[in-house]
Amino acid sequence: QLQLLESGPGLVKPSETLSLTCTVSGGSISSSSYYWGWIRQPPGKGLEWIASIYYTGSTYFNPSLKSRVTISVDTSKNQFSLKLSSVTAADTAVYYCARTGELYGMDVWGQGTTVTVSS
Amino acid sequence: DIQMTQSPSTLSASVGDRVTITCRASQSISSWLAWFQQKPGKAPKLLIYKGSTLESGVPSRFSGSGSGTEFTLTISSLQPDDFATYYCQEYKSYSGTFGQGTKLEIK
Repeated sequence: QLQLLESGPGLVKPSETLSLTCTVSGGSISSSSYYWGWIRQPPGKGLEWIASIYYTGSTYFNPSLKSRVTISVDTSKNQFSLKLSSVTAADTAVYYCARTGELYGMDVWGQGTTVTVSS
Repeated sequence: DIQMTQSPSTLSASVGDRVTITCRASQSISSWLAWFQQKPGKAPKLLIYKGSTLESGVPSRFSGSGSGTEFTLTISSLQPDDFATYYCQEYKSYSGTFGQGTKLEIK
């Protein structure tokens, strides 16, 4: 059964770069029918799609975050990663990774990891 | 950019009620719409994809309809486990904008 697990620092200082990794187990990240994405949820608020990537390296971004986001994939490790630069308190959120099927949408999610931006 | 507008933001209902949540897209997304259920402290759970296809294991009291710009999620007879927050999401062209969410509360 496919599982996704987010990892990374839980505390990031303002103006620094947030870095998270999603490790995929129980299946291959190199599937032509799926792509891989990051979503976040600030405390008490709704879901916000951040970016997605295919195993080939093709990337797709939320226009409101594009200037600060880097998303990458490492097929040898079955992982994909997120970097968000110049963070502020507004970037404090639970960050989720998810698999998106071209037909099915976001059908498998990680458990989420909380990132707090604070000095 | 595609914008998704979900209504209502809060819905109060009783066990056994039939409820409907609406999601509107700012442009046509064909049937590229998913519905999710989220409970506090948990990741969202996919309920419906491609507008109306029930994800495996999801109870049949959930149904989705619509295409183009107007979509609905209907729960035919609310069960205690259904009180949660629901989100729509478009996934046309590899984007993934979510609606604002609908919190379904017990009346």
